[in-house]
Amino acid sequence: DAGVTQSPTHLIKTRGQHVTLRCSPISGHKSVSWYQQVLGQGPQFIFQYYEKEERGRGNFPDRFSARQFPNYSSELNVNALLLGDSALYLCASSFGQSSYNEQFFGPGTRLTVL
Amino acid sequence: GNSVTQMEGPVTLSEEAFLTINCTYTATGYPSLFWYVQYPGEGLQLLLKATKADDKGSNKGFEATYRKETTSFHLEKGSVQVSDSAVYFCALIPLSGGSYIPTFGRGTSLIVHP
Repeated sequence: DAGVTQSPTHLIKTRGQHVTLRCSPISGHKSVSWYQQVLGQGPQFIFQYYEKEERGRGNFPDRFSARQFPNYSSELNVNALLLGDSALYLCASSFGQSSYNEQFFGPGTRLTVL
Repeated sequence: GNSVTQMEGPVTLSEEAFLTINCTYTATGYPSLFWYVQYPGEGLQLLLKATKADDKGSNKGFEATYRKETTSFHLEKGSVQVSDSAVYFCALIPLSGGSYIPTFGRGTSLIVHP
């Protein structure tokens, strides 16, 4: 079975641009979460979507937005990119919403903002 | 707010040495606790978890015990292998309030020499 997939693998943007990152969860998983991992740090929670509704939001500015589609795939959008947005963006899927459900992480999208 | 503190790395060991990576947390109520491992160029993988006090999580020779009295969840392994070289993240997910926003530590790099 395929794991969590993310696209693209790498991305280079310039300041002020917009970016869309994509995530496909494991088949049957209804929850998708997004994380930002800056080099040398742990992942920081951005959003969780469950059954196409936002169920959690971390401490990120409104430039960050996301959505989940009927097939449970998800997009993370970041507007007006800043140099500090350079990071590895991780997507994780789980069957349910609660903390008892194991999260499975994708390999991430490496975003570089110049 | 919630927080997770891990010992600074890198931790450098010889093969077959005993491993301890310390993790302490601050949280409201009694969260679920997790250890994740990240190999170079990959996403995070769940290593083990514990959902209530005195629970012991174990997997692949690694163990961690949920200690409520010391708010700790230290990771241990009796005999490390070169293949255990990776970055290890301690994390918590709160159970209260209907919000399941995870908090990760900064990660501890483990380097095992032959």
